[in-house]
Formats: sequence, C-alpha cells, structure tokens
Amino acid sequence: QSVLTQPPSVSGAPGQRVTMSCTGSSSNIGANYDVHWYQQLPGTAPKLLIYGNSNRPSGVPDRFSGSKSGTSASLAITGLQAEDEADYYCQSYDNSLSGWVFGGGTKLTVL
Amino acid sequence: QVQLVQSGAEVKKPGASVKVSCEASGYTFSTYTFHWVRQAPGQRLEWMGWINAGNGDTKYSQNFQGRVTITRETSASTAYLELSRLRSEDTAVYYCARDGSTAGHAFDIWGQGTVVTVSS
Repeated sequence: QSVLTQPPSVSGAPGQRVTMSCTGSSSNIGANYDVHWYQQLPGTAPKLLIYGNSNRPSGVPDRFSGSKSGTSASLAITGLQAEDEADYYCQSYDNSLSGWVFGGGTKLTVL
Repeated sequence: QVQLVQSGAEVKKPGASVKVSCEASGYTFSTYTFHWVRQAPGQRLEWMGWINAGNGDTKYSQNFQGRVTITRETSASTAYLELSRLRSEDTAVYYCARDGSTAGHAFDIWGQGTVVTVSS
C-alpha cells in the first residue's frame, strides 16, 4: 500500500530552524499531486498549515514554509518557538488508491 | 463563525454500528465537499471517504468499502458518518473536515473530533 513516509521525530532549540521531510512515490507526490501540511497540537484536531505545496492559509506565520521536489516534500520552521511543539502530518492524493493519504507524522520537540 | 461541530463520544460493542454527525456553520453547506478522517491511538490519520454536500455524491476508501456510509442533510447543514460491523480496531477519534476548494483541496476546517470506543 502506498503511503507517505515521515521521520518519527525532529528537535531543535528555540530560535533555530528545523526541517522535516515527506517521501512519497510515483502514484502520489511524484504524480504531481499537491502536498498539504497539518499541525496537530496535543489533544486537538489537525490544523491546516501549508496547502498546495507552499502556500500559507491566512493567520499562519511566515516562519512556516513548504516545498516540493520530485517524489518528496519538506516543511521548514524558522525561529522555533515553544508553541510549535506538535505533531506534523503531510498529505497528498494517491491515484493507485484513488484517495487521500497521510504520512505517519513527525513529532517536533522544542528543546 | 466558520466551524464544524461533531456529536459526542460513543461506546459500542463489537458488531454494532455507529453514526457520527458533523454540523457546519458560518458558510453555505451545500457548496462544499466534506471528508471523514480517523486517527486510532498512536496511529496516522486515515482518510475514510467524502461527500459532495450539493449533490450527495460519495467516494469511499477501499479500506472501508462495504462498512462505511456517508450521508448529508442539507436542511440541517449536517454530514453523517456511519460505520458498521465494528471491531476493536475501529476504536479511534473520528474527524470531519471541509474540502477547501480554494486551498488546493486541502482540508481547511476540521471538527473537534468524536471518540468512538469499541469494547465488549
């Protein structure tokens, strides 16, 4: 089954820059489908963070940025803050499954 | 206020069915598509299916074919998820989410989640 692969965890000190990856395949990211990113704070619903690979919804700080290349995408967070500690999920469409797929999530720890 | 409000927690026995509701407010319900996503404890988000609130068209994940039914009641601006033949592995938080047609079809608004526990 096609899925999106994310590193289980990343960490960084306040003020630093961190990146996290999302690796797919030729049936999802590599098939030119958009990648979206969500932030999930503990005990809450996911919140849209980045849509269409690199676009921020209104209200999302410009410290958050997204990019996509080939069969992978990445999320970068600059000027790390304590409130950024959360789980981050990538999402794309998969044409072999005819549906949406999510990555396993990356837990960000702010040291 | 643009939001989705879901029904409360459910406890069901194996083999039973559960129906979760998702009420939209702050925008025109029938102009959007709504998705259902679940998250089992410690697991990734899993897409279950969608419904076009305007014409009622639906599409389900292959993982739930035959067990899931998504419906809507436009007069109540509400979408519903029904999952049948429940088993312990269906214990999860179930979310509804709006398809943001102007946001690259990302899920731009989410409900607060409904906890469904399947236990004998």
